[in-house]
Amino acid sequence: GENVEQHPSTLSVQEGDSAVIKCTYSDSASNYFPWYKQELGKRPQLIIDIRSNVGEKKDQRIAVTLNKTAKHFSLHITETQPEDSAVYFCAAILFSGGYNKLIFGAGTRLAVHP
Amino acid sequence: KAGVTQTPRYLIKTRGQQVTLSCSPISGHRSVSWYQQTPGQGLQFLFEYFSETQRNKGNFPGRFSGRQFSNSRSEMNVSTLELGDSALYLCASSLKAGGPGNEQFFGPGTRLTVL
Repeated sequence: GENVEQHPSTLSVQEGDSAVIKCTYSDSASNYFPWYKQELGKRPQLIIDIRSNVGEKKDQRIAVTLNKTAKHFSLHITETQPEDSAVYFCAAILFSGGYNKLIFGAGTRLAVHP
Repeated sequence: KAGVTQTPRYLIKTRGQQVTLSCSPISGHRSVSWYQQTPGQGLQFLFEYFSETQRNKGNFPGRFSGRQFSNSRSEMNVSTLELGDSALYLCASSLKAGGPGNEQFFGPGTRLTVL
């Protein structure tokens, strides 16, 4: 069925360390994988996305990698800072009834300790 | 451009009642998606509307319905409310129906509490 699994559910790191969040998806036809950051009490906001024709994308301290064969994609945050503390959601486009819909993972609560 | 707006921001209802939530997308955006967010279940897709037509639907009971108007504003209705319907309801708009590059912009959400 339609599913995006996200791990870990919680992640605690020291400031300056790296954080990695992993997702797997079920629909091999998925071709778009956005990542959203949701700070406490705020709306989710897109931080980076990747399309299926690209294996890796970087934006400053954030990178996303995609392995289409294994149906895995991951978010990497380097040199973490306290303001990176938030819930991060991965998502994948699934094709249903001829149209696309975005399916989200369950989220990862990242805590960066000073 | 103004962002996605949702009204009301907070709502308290009792079991059995019905509720209507409203979402105004970013100007020019034609696609509106609705999500239910609960602490244990993350973001659950409810449905997506594009050009006044429901394009996709998640796995929610028929008590959850929606519509989109010609100006792309969307409403979501929940009838016969249950305690488990308490959640943050988020809408998101995008230029076109969901797909690569069609970034979804989220509204602030409506927090519904069912007593």
